[in-house]
Amino acid sequence: GQNIDQPTEMTATEGAIVQINCTYQTSGFNGLFWYQQHAGEAPTFLSYNVLDGLEEKGRFSSFLSRSKGYSYLLLKELQMKDSASYLCAVRDRATGGFKTIFGAGTRLFVKA
Amino acid sequence: NAGVTQTPKFRVLKTGQSMTLLCAQDMNHEYMYWYRQDPGMGLRLIHYSVGEGTTAKGEVPDGYNVSRLKKQNFLLGLESAAPSQTSVYFCASVRGGGGETQYFGPGTRLLVL
Repeated sequence: GQNIDQPTEMTATEGAIVQINCTYQTSGFNGLFWYQQHAGEAPTFLSYNVLDGLEEKGRFSSFLSRSKGYSYLLLKELQMKDSASYLCAVRDRATGGFKTIFGAGTRLFVKA
Repeated sequence: NAGVTQTPKFRVLKTGQSMTLLCAQDMNHEYMYWYRQDPGMGLRLIHYSVGEGTTAKGEVPDGYNVSRLKKQNFLLGLESAAPSQTSVYFCASVRGGGGETQYFGPGTRLLVL
């Protein structure tokens, strides 16, 4: 089966850096996604990793270690608008194709 | 392009009633998914489809049925609604089997009394 773990909540200060960790167990790993979700809205795509290493995209970076079943999302120069839930999701091989399983999400609070 | 749309946006049901949630996408995507999201539970996969005419069970399929008669539509049915099915339902679609992101609909808020 699949299992994805990430912290429930984190708090950080505006302008700082925060790292949100995610560990996963899956039988047919085919990539890891990070999504951002503001309250009352649908998730929106942030990043995708399928190979080991760091992917950087502006203020957001994501890291993957497949051997350790580990990923993190790094947010730099935090802004108040970054207060949201961050969802780690793993793409897994399934019957006839692929399915994506989500973690419970990490709620990030950015304070002034 | 409208992207992914969901109908209705909000619905109140009484226990035992039935309803169908409609998801439509105009991006010619092969894969479509239905999730439910409850507080503290993240997104849980109900059913998914890897192409027109195909469906498969996800993590929490009990109490739901789906159909994908047309490539652009993915229907989620509740035959006999229960209070435990009170949730926010999201539909998503993906072009294919690679690393493409999922595109989500705006969600349907369902309250079962």
